[in-house]
Amino acid sequence: GAGVSQTPSNKVTEKGKYVELRCDPISGHTALYWYRQSLGQGPEFLIYFQGTGAADDSGLPNDRFFAVRPEGSVSTLKIQRTERGDSAVYLCASSLTPGSAFFGQGTRLTVV
Amino acid sequence: EDQVTQSPEALRLQEGESSSLNCSYTVSGLRGLFWYRQDPGKGPEFLFTLYSAGEEKEKERLKATLTKKESFLHITAPKPEDSATYLCAVSYYGGSQGNLIFGKGTKLSVKP
Repeated sequence: GAGVSQTPSNKVTEKGKYVELRCDPISGHTALYWYRQSLGQGPEFLIYFQGTGAADDSGLPNDRFFAVRPEGSVSTLKIQRTERGDSAVYLCASSLTPGSAFFGQGTRLTVV
Repeated sequence: EDQVTQSPEALRLQEGESSSLNCSYTVSGLRGLFWYRQDPGKGPEFLFTLYSAGEEKEKERLKATLTKKESFLHITAPKPEDSATYLCAVSYYGGSQGNLIFGKGTKLSVKP
């Protein structure tokens, strides 16, 4: 596709459940990022991949959050034992050069 | 503490009324400053990258400028379709190239 694709667009889950959020980056982009955005706030950095490896995971809030990018293209953000505070829009972005990133439309996660 | 502050939080303009949005930053060495536009329910859309003081970039009715402590996004003769939230983000030498610090944004409304 022409842009970054994220699925699902919306996800409602019960507290304590496990969720996976998927990101398909722009073809050929080696850098991939995950951010999350709460209402009225700017995006908050979670993790940055360069190729298959996590170059910087310092933004992951705790060990319930994990992300993979096994073949250097599609990435999955995994959240275990979800909490109500995890509710936010999770944004994925990709780029050829770090910083000038192209974002997807996001996955709105609601934990009830 | 590394941070990005945008002002004003909200700005209402009449169509054709030019104005500027401000982004001030305090970081341990600026690697780059980025402007994004975000429409409701969408991911941020990349606008500009600025790297050094004195640099300017233009796109249609928008012009971004950079000094050592702040950046301005000038909007000339805005139209209603320019209504959106404008986000500023910085990449800094204290973090990885993929770790951007975002401001909270300025919500711009342009009335016909």
